Amino acid sequence: DIQLTQSPSFLSASVGDRVTITCRASQGISSYLAWYQQKPGKAPKLLIYAASTLQSGVPSRFSGSGSGTEFTLTISSLQPEDFATYYCQQLNSYPLFGGGTKVEIK
Amino acid sequence: QVQLQESGPGLVKPSQTLSLTCTVSGGSISSGSYYWSWIRQPAGKGLEWIGRIYTSGSTNYNPSLKSRVTISVDTSKNQFSLKLSSVTAADTAVYYCARELSRGNWFDPWGQGTLVTVSS
Repeated sequence: DIQLTQSPSFLSASVGDRVTITCRASQGISSYLAWYQQKPGKAPKLLIYAASTLQSGVPSRFSGSGSGTEFTLTISSLQPEDFATYYCQQLNSYPLFGGGTKVEIK
Repeated sequence: QVQLQESGPGLVKPSQTLSLTCTVSGGSISSGSYYWSWIRQPAGKGLEWIGRIYTSGSTNYNPSLKSRVTISVDTSKNQFSLKLSSVTAADTAVYYCARELSRGNWFDPWGQGTLVTVSS
């Protein structure tokens, strides 16, 4: 079974920082990966699909890259509304999510 | 745009069956190339996919829950439903319904989620 490992689990950053979150798959999944943002008490929100395609309406400071087994989500300049937990999801076989990365205010 | 809303009991006794319904508004559940999925999240933990249904009635379930899960669809009511049998405290979670693109398998949009607590 494919496993997804996100790192780091927690990240402390300041407004304006460039933030990178990594998602590693235990076996190659081509570009079949999505990223979600979840704020406390809210449902996850789709940010990126197919590893690098920005969902409509998502700010351009978010970007995704990678293929095979290593993927990254980058926030180019962290904004106050970006403090949240981020999840990756593999799009092969049955849906599987990474463990999440909580981005906290430094 | 399409919106999803979960409904059902917030408290279920151990060994009983959890039943939830997701109502789709703003579009037909039968239109487009979509699956309709259930996902859950225990408090403070990550996301776990439970299963999906296509409007044809075909289903796929998470192997870890397959023996206890049934997902059904009622296209006349624009709803799909989840039944999880023999629940324990470990099934306490926020349950989300979501639309899943059949050629892509990402989830968008999601319902707001509903907390189900398993307790006597």
